[in-house]
Amino acid sequence: QQQVKQSPQSLIVQKGGISIINCAYENTAFDYFPWYQQFPGKGPALLIAIRPDVSEKKEGRFTISFNKSAKQFSLHIMDSQPGDSATYFCAASSPGNTPLVFGKGTRLSVIA
Amino acid sequence: DTGVSQNPRHKITKRGQNVTFRCDPISEHNRLYWYRQTLGQGPEFLTYFQNEAQLEKSRLLSDRFSAERPKGSFSTLEIQRTEQGDSAMYLCASSLLENTIYFGEGSWLTVV
Repeated sequence: QQQVKQSPQSLIVQKGGISIINCAYENTAFDYFPWYQQFPGKGPALLIAIRPDVSEKKEGRFTISFNKSAKQFSLHIMDSQPGDSATYFCAASSPGNTPLVFGKGTRLSVIA
Repeated sequence: DTGVSQNPRHKITKRGQNVTFRCDPISEHNRLYWYRQTLGQGPEFLTYFQNEAQLEKSRLLSDRFSAERPKGSFSTLEIQRTEQGDSAMYLCASSLLENTIYFGEGSWLTVV
């Protein structure tokens, strides 16, 4: 049973375009939703995170949109750059910082 | 560098041999996590410690796997009688209780 479903599996975006990655969850106890970025051969690095008390969080070119009623959240990368090409993972955890549950990842390729 | 440190970074072993991975968390982080990641998949939770206490173990952690965190500092993950299905990247992460989880670069295991 996959607790966090991520889509699409892969994404190709033109340089300067908007990359959108979606995640859906089932466990209503989840209260922390981070996105991680992973380059080949490296460990995941935290990109941005949100808690359910807000519907949107923006940090630079990265924005998380959160829809509590739909149990969905998404990552938007504005003005996508070739350096953004990586695999992105959404994740979720319950109160008390229980271990993160990850989605299966989205491989993003930004082409010039 | 004060990030999460993992050793060795790569390990090739013959089926049936034992292997041990070490993780040094960020200084003063009291939570330490082990995850496993295979190609094209998100990290899967294995186990975690709060200080020296092992608080949770995933069903993925078979009897051949054992993790320790003596004195609440570094941690080791041992895999006994390795199988080809154990080939994966083993990720260590640490956090300060309910704060951000930081991952190391991972330890790649190849069982031949």
